[in-house]
Amino acid sequence: NAGVTQTPKFQVLKTGQSMTLQCAQDMNHNSMYWYRQDPGMGLRLIYYSASEGTTDKGEVPNGYNVSRLNKREFSLRLESAAPSQTSVYFCASSDPRPSGRSYEQCFGPGTRLTVL
Amino acid sequence: GENVEQHPSTLSVQEGDSAVIKCTYSDSASNYFPWYKQELGKRPQLIIDIRSNVGEKKDQRIAVTLNKTAKHFSLHITETQPEDSAVYFCAPTGTASKLTFGTGTRLQVTL
Repeated sequence: NAGVTQTPKFQVLKTGQSMTLQCAQDMNHNSMYWYRQDPGMGLRLIYYSASEGTTDKGEVPNGYNVSRLNKREFSLRLESAAPSQTSVYFCASSDPRPSGRSYEQCFGPGTRLTVL
Repeated sequence: GENVEQHPSTLSVQEGDSAVIKCTYSDSASNYFPWYKQELGKRPQLIIDIRSNVGEKKDQRIAVTLNKTAKHFSLHITETQPEDSAVYFCAPTGTASKLTFGTGTRLQVTL
């Protein structure tokens, strides 16, 4: 199993450009998440999808859109990139169960995005 | 929403000593208390978690203790080793779908 995969690993954009970050998981998890991580700020939730067909805003959704394409894939789109969106982006998935390691989130390797 | 604070923000210990990181939270409905470890340049990974009906859980050199009344829980690492050097995040939650991460504690284990 590959777990959670993300593409690309690195990306440099100019202000105003658009791009889509891709995320896929092969663990049959229902829930998927997008976080951004900035120095000293921990991980902040951008959007999440509790199950296929649903998406909800997190703590910092402005400037982003998401698509839950199917159970495996959850993409994050920046329509008009800004320097404030320079960050490391992590995708994660989880599958809450009544017992065992419920709520554990499995993270992808991250995408390092720089907006000039 | 949940208000999460971690202390200290940085911690330096000598190899073999113990380290304790404390996490305070505001939402009394929180019932799941995990700790994640993130090594430099890597992804966060769950290292230990506890549910609200348990006061303490231990896994080899790491343990988590919970005080629900005071709304805080702590990560304890004994006999620290260089490979314990990382940033540690707490992420208390009351719902399966949303974790609120603390700002992290950078642990440095020196030889």
